[in-house]
Amino acid sequence: DAGVTQSPTHLIKTRGQQVTLRCSPKSGHDTVSWYQQALGQGPQFIFQYYEEEERQRGNFPDRFSGHQFPNYSSELNVNALLLGDSALYLCASSPVGGEKLFFGSGTQLSVL
Amino acid sequence: TQLLEQSPQFLSIQEGENLTVYCNSSSVFSSLQWYRQEPGEGPVLLVTVVTGGEVKKLKRLTFQFGDARKDSSLHITAAQPGDTGLYLCAGAGTNAGKSTFGDGTTLTVKP
Repeated sequence: DAGVTQSPTHLIKTRGQQVTLRCSPKSGHDTVSWYQQALGQGPQFIFQYYEEEERQRGNFPDRFSGHQFPNYSSELNVNALLLGDSALYLCASSPVGGEKLFFGSGTQLSVL
Repeated sequence: TQLLEQSPQFLSIQEGENLTVYCNSSSVFSSLQWYRQEPGEGPVLLVTVVTGGEVKKLKRLTFQFGDARKDSSLHITAAQPGDTGLYLCAGAGTNAGKSTFGDGTTLTVKP
């Protein structure tokens, strides 16, 4: 049973570029949440997708957008990258109404 | 804004010692989770506490939720090098997917 998988594992971009990160949830899970973890800090909630719609959103600008596909996989898109967007981006999945979050290993994004 | 403060930020101890780390909030959460994160990996859930005053044990780890459901502690007995990692607490309302995390305690256990 595969857990939460994220791709790519590492990514280097330059300021102003756009990036797409991908996530496949754990089998049987239909809800995907995205988090940003800056160095030395805890994860911060970006948004959550359920039934292909954004259900909840944290305090992140519109440059951060997402999508969920019918197979429950999800993408995180970040436009007009800033140096401050450099972080570990984590995807977490859960079954609907579930209390437990299962995290992937993350995508380490470096913006130069 | 709900905030979770964890202390200490860093802790370095010798194998066999006991330790306690703390998680304090200005707000009440429906549940509180403790995670452990290793470098290059995502957080792994250790425990969820829901009821005020609740105590849960996981081998050498003891988790306590405060009576007012605003604070929690994690006590490790006879720490081992394998306990090394970043310990994060997170509070959730009815939606576990939208959790508020503290900045964690980085624990190093030296052989």
